[in-house]
Amino acid sequence: ETGVTQSPTHLIKTRGQQVTLRCSSQSGHNTVSWYQQALGQGPQFIFQYYREEENGRGNFPPRFSGLQFPNYSSELNVNALELDDSALYLCASSFGNGLITDTQYFGPGTRLTVL
Amino acid sequence: QQQVKQSPQSLIVQKGGISIINCAYENTAFDYFPWYQQFPGKGPALLIAIRPDVSEKKEGRFTISFNKSAKQFSLHIMDSQPGDSATYFCAARGSGTYKYIFGTGTRLKVLA
Repeated sequence: ETGVTQSPTHLIKTRGQQVTLRCSSQSGHNTVSWYQQALGQGPQFIFQYYREEENGRGNFPPRFSGLQFPNYSSELNVNALELDDSALYLCASSFGNGLITDTQYFGPGTRLTVL
Repeated sequence: QQQVKQSPQSLIVQKGGISIINCAYENTAFDYFPWYQQFPGKGPALLIAIRPDVSEKKEGRFTISFNKSAKQFSLHIMDSQPGDSATYFCAARGSGTYKYIFGTGTRLKVLA
């Protein structure tokens, strides 16, 4: 059974640029959630994807968007990067039915730095 | 917005001692309470979890105590080891939902 993987590990961008982060979910999982973890803080829920559709979003603006593919892998896209977007971005996979999910398992994260 | 308040922010314990981390939540619309362990540069790893119909759950050296009436739950690490040094997060899942709210984390250091 493979765990959750994310790429890239680290990324440096400048303000105003766009970035795409990738996540491969754990085998048997059909739901992917994305979180932003600022330094010294707990993860903050961005959104969740189930059956290739976004089915829930936290308090993040529309410039944060995503995709889920038929193999349940996922992408997080952030447009018009701001300095405050610098954080660790975590992907978590789980098995769910679109309404409720079981335990989430996190990937190692992508460290994004915006200069 | 529903919150989960975690304390202390940091904790130093001697090897072999007991580490205790507390979380409190507002409202009652949570139905699942996991604890995560996170090492620097890594994603959070599930440690142990509890549902509100149980007052205590033990797995090895880790125990969750849950007080539904007080809306509090805590993690106890018995016989703490230097390898336990990490940041610990409590979390709560909204009832019948997929939404998890995380605490702000506790940085634990276990002295050898």
